[in-house]
Formats: sequence, C-alpha cells, structure tokens
Amino acid sequence: QKEVEQDPGPLSVPEGAIVSLNCTYSNSAFQYFMWYRQYSRKGPELLMYTYSSGNKEDGRFTAQVDKSSKYISLFIRDSQPSDSATYLCAMSGNAGNMLTFGGGTRLMVKP
Amino acid sequence: DGGITQSPKYLFRKEGQNVTLSCEQNLNHDAMYWYRQDPGQGLRLIYYSQIVNDFQKGDIAEGYSVSREKKESFPLTVTSAQKNPTAFYLCASSIVSGTAGEQFFGPGTRLTVL
Repeated sequence: QKEVEQDPGPLSVPEGAIVSLNCTYSNSAFQYFMWYRQYSRKGPELLMYTYSSGNKEDGRFTAQVDKSSKYISLFIRDSQPSDSATYLCAMSGNAGNMLTFGGGTRLMVKP
Repeated sequence: DGGITQSPKYLFRKEGQNVTLSCEQNLNHDAMYWYRQDPGQGLRLIYYSQIVNDFQKGDIAEGYSVSREKKESFPLTVTSAQKNPTAFYLCASSIVSGTAGEQFFGPGTRLTVL
C-alpha cells in the first residue's frame, strides 16, 4: 500500500462545476500538506500549502485537512477550462523533511 | 527573474550512452532534488542534496549519478546502467531549515531512449 493514495482519474466536469480532489495517507507524522498543479509536459507549480488540520482559502481554491481521518481535499469553485491539469498532493512531517507525493489526479474541465 | 531552469527540454539517448541533464536555480535555495515521473506513478525521488558537495540517494538512485559543486547547480547523469531511462525528469529546490520543505520545480526534461 502506498503511503499517499490519490485517485488517478481522469475526472471530467463541466465548466462552472465545483471540483473536489482528495488524498488519503497512512503516516500520522505528516503535518505539512501541499497541492501542486501540473499542466501537460510542464513542471508542477505550488498551488496551496497548509499546516496541520483546518481550511485555507485562496480565491477559487480551498484546501482542507482532516488529520483525524488522514484525508486532505482541494476544492475548486467555478471551475474553468484553464484548470484542466494534473493535481498532485504532497506532504511532509517535521520541517525540512522530504515530501511524499501522491500519484496525481487528472482533471478535465469541459467548456 | 528568479527560478529553476532545466536543459535540454527534450533529449534523446542511444543504447549504451551516458547523458547529463542540467539544472540551475537562482533562488538561493540550499536543497535541490531530482525526480523521475512516469505516467500514472507520480514523482519518484532519484537524488537530493541539502548542501554543496553533499548528496544522498533517493528511492530509485540505481543507474543515476549527480554532483553538487555549486549551490546553484545540480546536474544529473543518466548512465548506461539505467535500463529503462525513458521518462520525464524534474528538478526542484527548496529552503532547508525552518520550513515545511515546499519545493519549487523546473520545467522538466523529457528523455527518450532510441
């Protein structure tokens, strides 16, 4: 079993839909949680970063962490075709630790 | 304009050849990383370096080598011992201490074996 699990998709939604992307993990030491967006044939770019449990909002994006369930989510409101990409979750334990990545979920937003 | 550059964007290798992928950063980050990305498998860590003249093996180091002679540069050599090198290679960097280790990525190099 992988340390971080992520549904590979693809997830196809109509423009304007609310998207929910999720990761589950097994290591209870993880405290720092990140979401990266990767367009085709490009490097991943850091989208959201959260520490411990709770929510963080940035524009149309909301990151949610539930440490008790070992479950993190990324919500995208009013999804746009430009949101079509692969979304990777990543997490680490103590500050400065290596990141452990999920396998990525491919999202397609259709106009 | 700060960032991470990787070159070349595309690289073709013949059987038995060694090839070197370049990675340069001007973010003044201490740590640098090399990942391999295959379809459906996410990112796998090849090597990382947290300080000049020091580096450690990641999960899939066999068939690869690195050097870290300068803070800004972390080249990766794919040797002929790597049996299945066709993949997308990503270089990343981060600040080491006092952070969650958020990593910033370059644009990647796509390596194809002919």
